Amino acid sequence: SYELTQPPSVSVSPGQTASITCSGDKLGDKYACWYQQKPGQSPVLIIYEDDKRPSGIPERFSGSNSGNTATLTISGTQAMDEADYYCQAWVSSTAGVFGTGTKVTVL
Amino acid sequence: EVQLVESGGGLVQPGGSLRLSCAASGFTFSLYSMNWVRQAPGKGLEWVSYITTSSNSRFYADSVKGRFTISRDNAKNYLYLQMNSLRAEDTAVYYCARDSVGPTHAFDVWGQGTMVTVSS
Repeated sequence: SYELTQPPSVSVSPGQTASITCSGDKLGDKYACWYQQKPGQSPVLIIYEDDKRPSGIPERFSGSNSGNTATLTISGTQAMDEADYYCQAWVSSTAGVFGTGTKVTVL
Repeated sequence: EVQLVESGGGLVQPGGSLRLSCAASGFTFSLYSMNWVRQAPGKGLEWVSYITTSSNSRFYADSVKGRFTISRDNAKNYLYLQMNSLRAEDTAVYYCARDSVGPTHAFDVWGQGTMVTVSS
């Protein structure tokens, strides 16, 4: 079965840049999206179609996808960005797959 | 306001059944494919099932195939998940999620979730 692998945790200082990777076989051939989930809340879509932001998502969130890796970048990280982040892709036209998740800590 | 509201969760014994519902409002439900996603306590997200607008196609994760059935009622704006032969590992918060328009299958609207606990 298809797997998407993320680092378990990423730490970043306020105002700095955080990068979260999502690795999967030929992931660059698929569309990747990203979700933010804060404790006790439902996930929120923050990036779709590799690099597009839904309305209302701050510009400091950006995405890219090439080869075997999709990347979520948070520029000028703020304390409110502390959350779990999940990548997701659609596989073989019949199944959704989520990444393992990354906990972002703003120190 | 675009909204999804799940209901039907609860405590059920192993081997039992449960039917989850998801009420959609604020958008034209019949124009969107829909999904169920679950999250076990303290764990990550797991995609469970997908259904197209007219129910012509339905897909399932291997972990639930043959036990769960997704369905929808476009006249009532409801999505359902019938869960049979439940196991302890099915314990999770179950979310319904709207599939975005286009080929990407991004989930752009989520409900608040309903908790399912499978235990004797």
